[in-house]
Amino acid sequence: AQSVTQLGSHVSVSEGALVLLRCNYSSSVPPYLFWYVQYPNQGLQLLLKYTTGATLVKGINGFEAEFKKSETSFHLTKPSAHMSDAAEYFCAVSVFYTGGFKTIFGAGTRLFVKA
Amino acid sequence: GAVVSQHPSWVICKSGTSVKIECRSLDFQATTMFWYRQFPKQSLMLMATSNEGSKATYEQGVEKDKFLINHASLTLSTLTVTSAHPEDSSFYICSARGTGSAYEQYFGPGTRLTVT
Repeated sequence: AQSVTQLGSHVSVSEGALVLLRCNYSSSVPPYLFWYVQYPNQGLQLLLKYTTGATLVKGINGFEAEFKKSETSFHLTKPSAHMSDAAEYFCAVSVFYTGGFKTIFGAGTRLFVKA
Repeated sequence: GAVVSQHPSWVICKSGTSVKIECRSLDFQATTMFWYRQFPKQSLMLMATSNEGSKATYEQGVEKDKFLINHASLTLSTLTVTSAHPEDSSFYICSARGTGSAYEQYFGPGTRLTVT
């Protein structure tokens, strides 16, 4: 079954440092992959998505992710963390079922940004 | 475009009562809608998937008699939590998929349910 695994339930970085949030997927077919951010008591905001084509995907707020088939990974990065990046981040995959596709989420990684 | 709304944004109800949550696609027709629940500090768990005019398909372990889903039109789906108990307190998020993409879902802002 298709799924995603997020390594690290908590990640802490200093302001200005590199952000790296890890996500590995399991899929027997080319996956559709997503990263979402959730701020406290709010809904989800789509950061970026990979469907086909370019493996380096750029998203909003300076985030990007690279699809690496050989490593079955889709890690999220940002060169320089900002205090406003502190939030919960979810990696997700679209899983095929008889009715089409449905999105399944990883466990999430909480990002802390230290001043 | 592709906006999904939920109503109410938060609700408090007493144990034993039922509560209905609405999910609307505002600017597109949602052929499929999805309901997720999220406990504090946890991930989103898919509860059920519904196609307009059809019965919902529930994920394993989700009580379909407790969580009634109706997808009566291409812009509206409702989730009714029947005989709610404190353990049903959670953040419920709906999402919708239109005809434009087979895989992309658009998420609503969520509804916080507290059962006292």
